[in-house]
Amino acid sequence: QKEVEQNSGPLSVPEGAIASLNCTYSDRVSQSFFWYRQYSGKSPELIMSIYSNGDKEDGRFTAQLNKASQYVSLLIRDSQPSDSATYLCADGSSNTGKLIFGQGTTLQVKP
Amino acid sequence: GAVVSQHPSRVICKSGTSVKIECRSLDFQATTMFWYRQFPKKSLMLMATSNEGSKATYEQGVEKDKFLINHASLTLSTLTVTSAHPEDSSFYICSASKGDHEQYFGPGTRLTVT
Repeated sequence: QKEVEQNSGPLSVPEGAIASLNCTYSDRVSQSFFWYRQYSGKSPELIMSIYSNGDKEDGRFTAQLNKASQYVSLLIRDSQPSDSATYLCADGSSNTGKLIFGQGTTLQVKP
Repeated sequence: GAVVSQHPSRVICKSGTSVKIECRSLDFQATTMFWYRQFPKKSLMLMATSNEGSKATYEQGVEKDKFLINHASLTLSTLTVTSAHPEDSSFYICSASKGDHEQYFGPGTRLTVT
C-alpha cells in the first residue's frame, strides 16, 4: 500500500527565511507528486505539481523530486507570515486518480 | 481555470434529517470527483470516488447507504448525508479532476448536526 510520510512539525522559520518542507513516499514507481497548502478552517489549494526528477520553480516556490531517494521537497523562499499553513504532500500515481496524502507539515512564519 | 464550488458552505441540521451538498466544476469538465471529510486538526479522509454516470466507489468503512453520491454530469456531483447524527458533524470537501491526476478542491461545507 502506498504511503506518504511527512513530519507534522510545527516547522518555525523567521520571516524572510527559506522554509524547507520534505516528504518521502513508499512506491518507487510513483511518478506524480503534488503540494497543497491548507489554511486553518479552509480547504486545500494546489500550489505545485512535479513529475520529473529535479527542480521545478514557480515564483517563491521550488518543488524538488528525487526518485532514487524517494523524496519530494518544497522550498519557500522569502517566507512570509501569510505562508503559515499546513502543507500537504500527495502521491498522485494511482490509476484510480486517488491522491495519497501525507499527514501534513504545519509551517509557522514568525514576523 | 480549475475552479470548484460547493454549496452550501455551512449547514446546521437536526438529528435524523438529510442534507445534500453540491459540488460543481465551474470552468472545466471533471471526469472524476472525490469526496473527503476532515475532523478538526485531523488529516483529510477520502470517502468516495465518483465518475460521471457510474456508481461511486466508497472507501473501506464508509457507509454507502448513509452517504449517497450522485454524479449526474461532468460538472456536478452531490453528496447526501442521510439520517444525519451529531457524529456526522464535520468539514466535507469535494475535489474534481480533469483526468490528469491533479485535484482541485472546493471550499468545503461545514456540517453541524444538532
